[in-house]
Amino acid sequence: GAGVSQSPRYKVAKRGQDVALRCDPISGHVSLFWYQQALGQGPEFLTYFQNEAQLDKSGLPSDRFFAERPEGSVSTLKIQRTQKEDSAVYLCASSLGMAEQYFGPGTRLTVT
Amino acid sequence: AQSVTQLGSHVSVSEGALVLLRCNYSSSVPPYLFWYVQYPNQGLQLLLKYTSAATLVKGINGFEAEFKKSETSFHLTKPSAHMSDAAEYFCAVSHRLKAAGNKLTFGGGTRVLVKP
Repeated sequence: GAGVSQSPRYKVAKRGQDVALRCDPISGHVSLFWYQQALGQGPEFLTYFQNEAQLDKSGLPSDRFFAERPEGSVSTLKIQRTQKEDSAVYLCASSLGMAEQYFGPGTRLTVT
Repeated sequence: AQSVTQLGSHVSVSEGALVLLRCNYSSSVPPYLFWYVQYPNQGLQLLLKYTSAATLVKGINGFEAEFKKSETSFHLTKPSAHMSDAAEYFCAVSHRLKAAGNKLTFGGGTRVLVKP
């Protein structure tokens, strides 16, 4: 079956631009996670949804970062006024409850 | 708070030799433990997981890991390395508390190079 998909796969933004990153989880997966992976480092948790409810956003680095999942399926991570330090791979993962997480291929964001 | 430490950011092994990747964790409650593999420009793929059943866990591609509570370790091994094992490997922990979701805390990763 289809796995987690993310789009775009690559995004180049000029500093100050807004970007929107999309995640399509596996159908029926209740839980959805966003992680940020800086070059040469392990992924770091950003935020967590259970259905449409955002239950944990403790990892969002600033108020420029915003995530939503309005219908409990597709999720969008939005970054406003991008900065160079936002350059990273953004990974989305989905799971059924407390089960293992399935990761998408990621979106590589480069801010110039 | 949970944390994960992976000893060695790079490991080089010869094809056919033992692969040993070290992972130590700290957690205030017994955690779930995972090993993921990441190939270039791809997402993370689960190799294996420990969720309180047998302490020796077998995963895909011939990998296994042993949970040692006394040492707070979850080292990953493979008896004989293959060229296709060249990738980056991440150890991760998550809470058992449902209210916390099962967000993962990752180590810094170990990049494995396999020499012919």
